[in-house]
Amino acid sequence: AQKITQTQPGMFVQEKEAVTLDCTYDTSDPSYGLFWYKQPSSGEMIFLIYQGSYDQQNATEGRYSLNFQKARKSANLVISASQLGDSAMYFCAMRGRYGGATNKLIFGTGTLLAVQP
Amino acid sequence: DADVTQTPRNRITKTGKRIMLECSQTKGHDRMYWYRQDPGLGLRLIYYSFDVKDINKGEISDGYSVSRQAQAKFSLSLESAIPNQTALYFCATSEKRTLAGVNEQFFGPGTRLTVL
Repeated sequence: AQKITQTQPGMFVQEKEAVTLDCTYDTSDPSYGLFWYKQPSSGEMIFLIYQGSYDQQNATEGRYSLNFQKARKSANLVISASQLGDSAMYFCAMRGRYGGATNKLIFGTGTLLAVQP
Repeated sequence: DADVTQTPRNRITKTGKRIMLECSQTKGHDRMYWYRQDPGLGLRLIYYSFDVKDINKGEISDGYSVSRQAQAKFSLSLESAIPNQTALYFCATSEKRTLAGVNEQFFGPGTRLTVL
């Protein structure tokens, strides 16, 4: 069975510092994709970054980067130079071959990040 | 205007009532999804649809039904609402999956449903 695990229910970070949000996954599919979404207090889900299992390089999108360690089955999100607006819930999600044709996602339970001034 | 809209945004209802949540999209995507979010559980898939004639159950479909009235519209119904269906409900859309594409899902703003 496929599973996403986010072990940090909540985290604090000082403004302008970097922070790493952990995500580990379990799948037997050889081909899969990993996503990170941000949910601010207003509730909407915002797509941040994607990593394909066959991608040779770690994904980056502005201040977001994904530390993909395939052998360890981890896909941690790194936010550099944290800003107050980064305070939100962050979800890791996976799409496997089982979900490939349908694009179904399996979500982790989320990490609540609070950026302190 | 938002690409994926949901109505209503908030709803309080009583046990046993029939409730319909509606989702519309202007992105032209074929695929649409309904999720529910509960504290500490993340998002879980209720139903998904490839197109108007193709509707499939997700992992938690019991107590729910859906209707895909058009490519752009996907409704979720609770035939007889119960308190443990109190949750935040999201509609999402995506393009048809391509091997090389990211095909991320685009989410609506959510509907907060409370069943008393």
